[in-house]
This record gives sequence, C-alpha cells and structure tokens, in this order.
Amino acid sequence: AQSVTQLGSHVSVSEGALVLLRCNYSSSVPPYLFWYVQYPNQGLQLLLKYTSAATLVKGINGFEAEFKKSETSFHLTKPSAHMSDAAEYFCAVSDLSGNEKLTFGTGTRLTIIP
Amino acid sequence: KAGVTQTPRYLIKTRGQQVTLSCSPISGHRSVSWYQQTPGQGLQFLFEYFSETQRNKGNFPGRFSGRQFSNSRSEMNVSTLELGDSALYLCASGGGPGNTEAFFGQGTRLTVV
Repeated sequence: AQSVTQLGSHVSVSEGALVLLRCNYSSSVPPYLFWYVQYPNQGLQLLLKYTSAATLVKGINGFEAEFKKSETSFHLTKPSAHMSDAAEYFCAVSDLSGNEKLTFGTGTRLTIIP
Repeated sequence: KAGVTQTPRYLIKTRGQQVTLSCSPISGHRSVSWYQQTPGQGLQFLFEYFSETQRNKGNFPGRFSGRQFSNSRSEMNVSTLELGDSALYLCASGGGPGNTEAFFGQGTRLTVV
C-alpha cells in the first residue's frame, strides 16, 4: 500500500524566510505525488504535482518541490514566505491502478511570523 | 469554467438521522471521489465513482454509501448518524483514468448533535 509521511505537524517561519515542508513517501512503484493547500473552511487547492516528467516541479504561488527517489522524498519549498502562505499543507500519493484515490499525509500547519 | 460545487455547505443533524450530500463535478469530468476530513483521522478516502460505477471504496462502514448519476453528479448518504460522523466532507472531480489531477470542492461541514 502507498503512504506518505509529513514530518512536523506545525511549522513556523518568519515572513521572507525559506519555507520547507517535508514529505516522504512509501511506494512499491513510481508514484504520482501531490501537494495541496487548504485555507480555513475551504477545500483543497492543488499546488503542484509530480508525474515522472521532471524531478523538480514548479507550482503556483512560488512553491516548488523536488522528487528524490534515493531519499523517497518530495519536500515542498518556497524561497520567501508571505503572510498569505499561512495555511495547512497536505502531501498526497495516488494509486496508479487506474483509479483516482489519493492517500494523504496528516498535514502541516504553516504559520508565518510577521 | 465552473468548479466543483458541493451542497449544502453546512448541515446540522441529530444522531440517528440520515443525510444526503451532493457534488456536481467540473463539466466534462466523469470521476467523482469523496473524502472525510476530521481533526483526529485527517483526510480519509470514502469512495470513487466513474461513469456511474463505484471503482474504489475506502474502509468505512456500510452506513456510508454513494451513487453517481448519468450527468456525473454524485451524492453520498450517511444513515443512522453518529457523533463521530461530524466532519468536513470533500468531493473531488477528475477527468478519469490516466488523468492525474483532482479538483476539490469547498466541502460540506456536517455537524451531528
């Protein structure tokens, strides 16, 4: 079974500082990996996705993630945090059997310190 | 292009009642998935429908059921509600097999009292 582990349920960074949110996956086959963001009382918005085309993936709002097979990681980064980045972030892996089930990590709540 | 529409946004029900939630996917999308989100369990997969057929089901009791109509709209039903069913229920719309992106609605917040 596929799974993802997000290290750190809460992360705080200063405005303008580097954002690093960690995600490690477990999969017996090359996975599809995703990062979603959720604002309070909202649904999930896709930030970026890895589908084996390129290991460095750029997403919306200045976020990017690098797929590292040797480390089974897909960490999310942003060079300079903005107040509007405060939200909860979820890493997810998809089942490649043809259906679209997503398995999510437990989430990381990002707080931006002014 | 309209996004995924979930109705209602908020719902309060009493234990023992049943509830039906609705999801209208993005036009042209034929896949609809449902997820339950709670503070304790996080995001958990309920089921997925494609072209009116349930393709995958999560580990939830039989009180949770769903269906998809010919226009791709989907409903999920929870019978004999329990306090633990209080959650945000999210619907995701996708293009079908091989399509790698799921678009989520804003969810229905169900409170069971």
